[in-house]
Amino acid sequence: NAGVMQNPRHLVRRRGQEARLRCSPMKGHSHVYWYRQLPEEGLKFMVYLQKENIIDESGMPKERFSAEFPKEGPSILRIQQVVRGDSAAYFCASSPFRSKDLAANYGYTFGSGTRLTVV
Amino acid sequence: DQQVKQNSPSLSVQEGRISILNCDYTNSMFDYFLWYKKYPAEGPTFLISISSIKDKNEDGRFTVFLNKSAKHLSLHIVPSQPGDSAVYFCAASAFGNQFYFGTGTSLTVIP
Repeated sequence: NAGVMQNPRHLVRRRGQEARLRCSPMKGHSHVYWYRQLPEEGLKFMVYLQKENIIDESGMPKERFSAEFPKEGPSILRIQQVVRGDSAAYFCASSPFRSKDLAANYGYTFGSGTRLTVV
Repeated sequence: DQQVKQNSPSLSVQEGRISILNCDYTNSMFDYFLWYKKYPAEGPTFLISISSIKDKNEDGRFTVFLNKSAKHLSLHIVPSQPGDSAVYFCAASAFGNQFYFGTGTSLTVIP
């Protein structure tokens, strides 16, 4: 009964390269959320996806960032042309509940995160 | 604009005593509040939640209190154990899909 799996755990990219972060939700969870934690800050919402659909991307930067959750395979958070300010821990969470109320009552299950360092 | 604030970056408590972690918020539309615990190099782990229609929720050693008039939330851990040493985040949600997290309080329980 694996939890939310994120890989890689650590990712180093040079400025201008692309970063791809993967998240496999828990079995039976069809709702995926991406959060970012900058140094000395709390987690900040980026995007909420269901299979093949982006439901809410209000927290995503307007440029260079994109996310997908295909019918098969993990959810991918993609950052193009990375800059130093993208260095952060990126966490994925999953939930089996469509209803926000139920999800809030039972909490989301987070992965261990991907620590992106841009050099 | 930080809508959820944890003003104490750290807290130290003796084993067996009560730990009280505090959280303040600004958005009166928040309807759910959650507490998460985080160990280094791991993702946050859900601890306990409370909806805005309640003022208290208890689960074992963990109790969350909500004071809506003061826009204040607290997590009580009693008795505190060394394994409770971690960073604790409070989070809140209004309508919509995202949760707003505080910056965390690092709890150290001294054996």
